[in-house]
Amino acid sequence: GQQLNQSPQSMFIQEGEDVSMNCTSSSIFNTWLWYKQDPGEGPVLLIALYKAGELTSNGRLTAQFGITRKDSFLNISASIPSDVGIYFCAGRNYGQNFVFGPGTRLSVLP
Amino acid sequence: EAGVAQSPRYKIIEKRQSVAFWCNPISGHATLYWYQQILGQGPKLLIQFQNNGVVDDSQLPKDRFSAERLKGVDSTLKIQPAKLEDSAVYLCASSLVSRGVNTEAFFGQGTRLTVV
Repeated sequence: GQQLNQSPQSMFIQEGEDVSMNCTSSSIFNTWLWYKQDPGEGPVLLIALYKAGELTSNGRLTAQFGITRKDSFLNISASIPSDVGIYFCAGRNYGQNFVFGPGTRLSVLP
Repeated sequence: EAGVAQSPRYKIIEKRQSVAFWCNPISGHATLYWYQQILGQGPKLLIQFQNNGVVDDSQLPKDRFSAERLKGVDSTLKIQPAKLEDSAVYLCASSLVSRGVNTEAFFGQGTRLTVV
């Protein structure tokens, strides 16, 4: 079945630094989603991408739909303590359900 | 707009007991999903409903898991009998259907199940 890989698995950064993470797939997708999950909560949708090459921003967050359609990237600028959490990518192709990656755990040091 | 509601938030049971979780999706969302999230992993789809019909239950362990959405609104997920490896967070999500395609899913807070 489809599998997603997320990199890095975890990261520790200083407050104010920029963050980059990515998600890769073994197959082509037509939709990518990025979610953030806080401890004890369900995932919250951050950004949705529907077209190869698309670049979409949501505040300090920017995500891109890779041109190969097998990857997606999420960047966070000027990180703050509340950015701490686990970031999941999810992707799907036509007529299929979303598959989730294993997540990138972000820790922000003051 | 109210989000996806789930209950209970936490449940501790002994192995071989049964347990049920409840979910009320966002109003107007035709599609409802149940996911299992084991610690340290991403959510894994168990079952998908569209209205009151099952669309995908290929990853549901049907010997012990069952789910229903009788009136096409709220849903229950049951485990009977529970095993230790069922310890996980059970997430419910819902989405709209637009032009025959499910849009992005919105999640509830989840039910954390511990089987001892």
